[in-house]
Amino acid sequence: GAVVSQHPSWVICKSGTSVKIECRSLDFQATTMFWYRQFPKQSLMLMATSNEGSKATYEQGVEKDKFLINHASLTLSTLTVTSAHPEDSSFYICSASPSASSYEQYFGPGTRLTVT
Amino acid sequence: AQSVTQPDIHITVSEGASLELRCNYSYGATPYLFWYVQSPGQGLQLLLKYFSGDTLVQGIKGFEAEFKRSQSSFNLRKPSVHWSDAAEYFCAVGPGGNEKLTFGTGTRLTIIP
Repeated sequence: GAVVSQHPSWVICKSGTSVKIECRSLDFQATTMFWYRQFPKQSLMLMATSNEGSKATYEQGVEKDKFLINHASLTLSTLTVTSAHPEDSSFYICSASPSASSYEQYFGPGTRLTVT
Repeated sequence: AQSVTQPDIHITVSEGASLELRCNYSYGATPYLFWYVQSPGQGLQLLLKYFSGDTLVQGIKGFEAEFKRSQSSFNLRKPSVHWSDAAEYFCAVGPGGNEKLTFGTGTRLTIIP
């Protein structure tokens, strides 16, 4: 149980285009989902926290107009990288939490984004 | 503010040898502590977690960790490593529930024959 999927697993896009990454909780309802970014050989940096039906809370320094997060249902959150640039190339990982009392987050397998 | 320090960026261990990965945290209240493992190009897999109770926690794949409040540490151990344990290991701390986690910078584990 507690499986989180991400789609796509990897994507290549051209500079200036937008790309959408999906994060799904497959066997539980996720009241909260988190989006992390990981640079090569570095740790995970939290980008934003999204709660179903409300606006995402972005970490300091994260451009909310560039990284659009939508948590439209209890099983799906999406991250859209708008007007992508090469510096947006990274590994994006989502996690999902079933509830405030769950004490755990379940991580997706990650999405490798390359912007050319 | 909460923070996590993993002092060792890279550790090399012989197969069959014991392993200890260090983790120190800074947190204002009772922390929820986690160890995750990440294989190259993959997401994170939870090895073990500590919320309360027994300070020695057992996890998957033969790993264990000990919470020491006086030292603000949560070190990960394994008595005998296998080649398949080669990966990146992250320690994380958080307030629990659906609140955000803070990750350490990770320790890369290399296993030599």
